[in-house]
Amino acid sequence: DAGITQSPRHKVTETGTPVTLRCHQTENHRYMYWYRQDPGHGLRLIHYSYGVKDTDKGEVSDGYSVSRSKTEDFLLTLESATSSQTSVYFCASEPGHKNTEAFFGQGTRLTVV
Amino acid sequence: GESVGLHLPTLSVQEGDNSIINCAYSNSASDYFIWYKQESGKGPQFIIDIRSNMDKRQGQRVTVLLNKTVKHLSLQIAATQPGDSAVYFCAENNAGNNRKLIWGLGTSLAVNP
Repeated sequence: DAGITQSPRHKVTETGTPVTLRCHQTENHRYMYWYRQDPGHGLRLIHYSYGVKDTDKGEVSDGYSVSRSKTEDFLLTLESATSSQTSVYFCASEPGHKNTEAFFGQGTRLTVV
Repeated sequence: GESVGLHLPTLSVQEGDNSIINCAYSNSASDYFIWYKQESGKGPQFIIDIRSNMDKRQGQRVTVLLNKTVKHLSLQIAATQPGDSAVYFCAENNAGNNRKLIWGLGTSLAVNP
């Protein structure tokens, strides 16, 4: 399995505070993704990156920003956390060529109170 | 809109039986389909994929069938084992949007001993 880790694994934060989740991969994969997973919605793409400093929005990007300053790290920031952002967040990475499997991290459970 | 759905949200089978998990998709332009398995508390894990120029692909104990005429995808698991208990997701990749997988809602597979 690809070495991909997320931190923290669990976090409780207050409404209105900024939160940053980190994803780290050791496979030199070009593509990285942030998803959120909620009951009844499956996995929804928040943002993805196709290289250092190259990112694009997914289907649920409002309220989130990302940064990729190094190949191995992809950060997801909630600018001002809201209760609707309570979710399980998954990071994934993928090699550079098209249509290959993505490798997922273990997830971060975020609760906004 | 474009969607990937599932016929059955839950499936319960006896150990040793074969399992069939179904998935419907609506975007005829999709050219790549993938199945993931997600065990409780873990991130999704790749099982098998298939491209639109194929109608069948086999892996170890798993087979994916693609019927483009009716936009239907299925995952067959032979001799289902307790370790197969998980949620299974299908996802499609739109040929014109090659980094944004569209995910189904998932089917929960329970294997009874």
